[in-house]
Amino acid sequence: GESVGLHLPTLSVQEGDNSIINCAYSNSASDYFIWYKQESGKGPQFIIDIRSNMDKRQGQRVTVLLNKTVKHLSLQIAATQPGDSAVYFCAETFTGGGNKLTFGTGTQLKVEL
Amino acid sequence: GAVVSQHPSWVICKSGTSVKIECRSLDFQATTMFWYRQFPKQSLMLMATSNEGSKATYEQGVEKDKFLINHASLTLSTLTVTSAHPEDSSFYICSASPARFGHGGTQYFGPGTRLLVL
Repeated sequence: GESVGLHLPTLSVQEGDNSIINCAYSNSASDYFIWYKQESGKGPQFIIDIRSNMDKRQGQRVTVLLNKTVKHLSLQIAATQPGDSAVYFCAETFTGGGNKLTFGTGTQLKVEL
Repeated sequence: GAVVSQHPSWVICKSGTSVKIECRSLDFQATTMFWYRQFPKQSLMLMATSNEGSKATYEQGVEKDKFLINHASLTLSTLTVTSAHPEDSSFYICSASPARFGHGGTQYFGPGTRLLVL
């Protein structure tokens, strides 16, 4: 079936460096993508989203890039901080899909001091 | 804005008992709420979609008689795990989508409920 997956299960970065978390999706009908951050024992927290009519969107310290040609999504975190340590999930959905999200497998981001 | 709460945050129960988990959207109305289950170090697995005023839609493989869902208002959905067994122990998370136009598929998640069945 259709799935959303991540290339790297764990990413370790030094504090202050930029982080890049990648996600591959397989449903070509997907037209809305969301990145979530989940800290241990908590629910996912919305970070940023992007629609398929865009290829880049920026937030505070975060940027999401969408490459529909290769069905690839990435989350860039600038100046990574210890508080950024968490599991990051990409999720995708499509118009007419009843707002149902398909989640990727997740990437554990570890920020080293 | 877009705050979702869950209650309780954790619960321990004996095998065979039923447990009810509440999910509330605190500052917005949600015609649709979702219930997920998450095992340690794994992704979220959608269990069912809860629609206000109508029956829930369950994902394949999820027993509707086991996991009863009620969405009685635009701000409240409940999940009842009936006759719970140890294998039902998990982290249950709900999410809600704002009903107003423009938010598309954005879902806002609750803090989760950790269930331990002894």
